[in-house]
Amino acid sequence: GQNIDQPTEMTATEGAIVQINCTYQTSGFNGLFWYQQHAGEAPTFLSYNVLDGLEEKGRFSSFLSRSKGYSYLLLKELQMKDSASYLCAVSTGGGNKLTFGTGTQLKVEL
Amino acid sequence: SAVISQKPSRDICQRGTSLTIQCQVDSQVTMMFWYRQQPGQSLTLIATANQGSEATYESGFVIDKFPISRPNLTFSTLTVSNMSPEDSSIYLCSVQGTVQPGAGELFFGEGSRLTVL
Repeated sequence: GQNIDQPTEMTATEGAIVQINCTYQTSGFNGLFWYQQHAGEAPTFLSYNVLDGLEEKGRFSSFLSRSKGYSYLLLKELQMKDSASYLCAVSTGGGNKLTFGTGTQLKVEL
Repeated sequence: SAVISQKPSRDICQRGTSLTIQCQVDSQVTMMFWYRQQPGQSLTLIATANQGSEATYESGFVIDKFPISRPNLTFSTLTVSNMSPEDSSIYLCSVQGTVQPGAGELFFGEGSRLTVL
């Protein structure tokens, strides 16, 4: 079976840095995705890791360790608009089928 | 990126009825997927819509309850049949970012929010 774990919720301060962790146990691995979902909206793509290491994209970075079944999403210089749910998803099997974690609800405060 | 249009965006339905959700993509895509997101929960894959053949359903989802059509590379429909309040959910169409299977991120439609009374 597939198992993806994330913290349910996190709170951070505007301007700070926050790290959202994701651990996974899946049969097969084609890559790991992070999505952002604001309330009432569709998920939007943030990052994709298939090799070990850090991928940086502006204020957002994502790290992957395949041997540990572990990833994190790092958000720097937090803004109020970053308050959203962050979904970790693992691609398995053919056809890029994604299995999603339950999501981490991030609240950014002043 | 792909632009995905879903309709209806929301609907209120009576128990026992069926509703068909349409998904239109602005470019040809190989892989189209239907997800469900129940209130306060994450996304669960219902099925992969295959062009020219029957959809591939995930465990817990069956064709009689969620019939899917995929007549071409830009369009798909999902029907939620014989609805009950437990089917109240957001249904999302998604496609891969490229026409090459196994590569690229998924893009999502805006979702169809169904409420079953």
